[in-house]
Amino acid sequence: QSALTQPPSASGSPGQSVTISCAGTSSDVGAYKYVSWYQQHPGTAPKLLIREFSQRPSGIPDRFSGSKSGNTASLTVSGLQADDEADYYCVSYAGSRWVFGGGTKLTVL
Amino acid sequence: QFHLVESGGGVVQPGGSLRLSCAASGFTFNNFAMHWVRQAPGKGLEWVADMTSDGTTKYYAESVEGRFTISRDNTKNTLYLQMNSLRPEDTAVYYCAKHDSGGVWGGWFDPWGQGTLVTVSS
Repeated sequence: QSALTQPPSASGSPGQSVTISCAGTSSDVGAYKYVSWYQQHPGTAPKLLIREFSQRPSGIPDRFSGSKSGNTASLTVSGLQADDEADYYCVSYAGSRWVFGGGTKLTVL
Repeated sequence: QFHLVESGGGVVQPGGSLRLSCAASGFTFNNFAMHWVRQAPGKGLEWVADMTSDGTTKYYAESVEGRFTISRDNTKNTLYLQMNSLRPEDTAVYYCAKHDSGGVWGGWFDPWGQGTLVTVSS
């Protein structure tokens, strides 16, 4: 099972918006609603940001939003803050297996 | 507050074995499926294995199938990962993560433990 495709890096200035894509196939992202996004700061465990493409768990700011179009999911971070600088990963259910994206390093300029 | 604590990592020679543990607290462990996910140094996340809440169904990544075994003891609120025939490419931080339901069909990973480092080297 190939990994989902994410851009290695993304950047934006404080207050701006950035969108990170997660490209899959009709066997994973396109087949199920179970795509979630995780934020990972250096040396810490991943943290759930978005589940089921666009649902935010309680406690996650509405600056974080998710969407899907075809076989591609996207995460948008609005109103960038310094603490948003981290690695972001998408993951999709793929029928008895799970496939992660390669990760995107978000830099706040 | 859900809490997961991994242990059992360390340095092992190629071909060796290691058993990881993940102690759960703050939730009814036997109601939830569980996952193992790993992260090689400086690399991305890779799903390793999962198991249903009752332990009857398990799935593995192709990279570990036949070498790793996931198990759980619901009386001890603990998840395990037995790793045999270890290879240098298995070197990674291993995280356990709680699934959102008892089955492993769909869902998400939340929360994650802090991870335990496994180093396979001679």
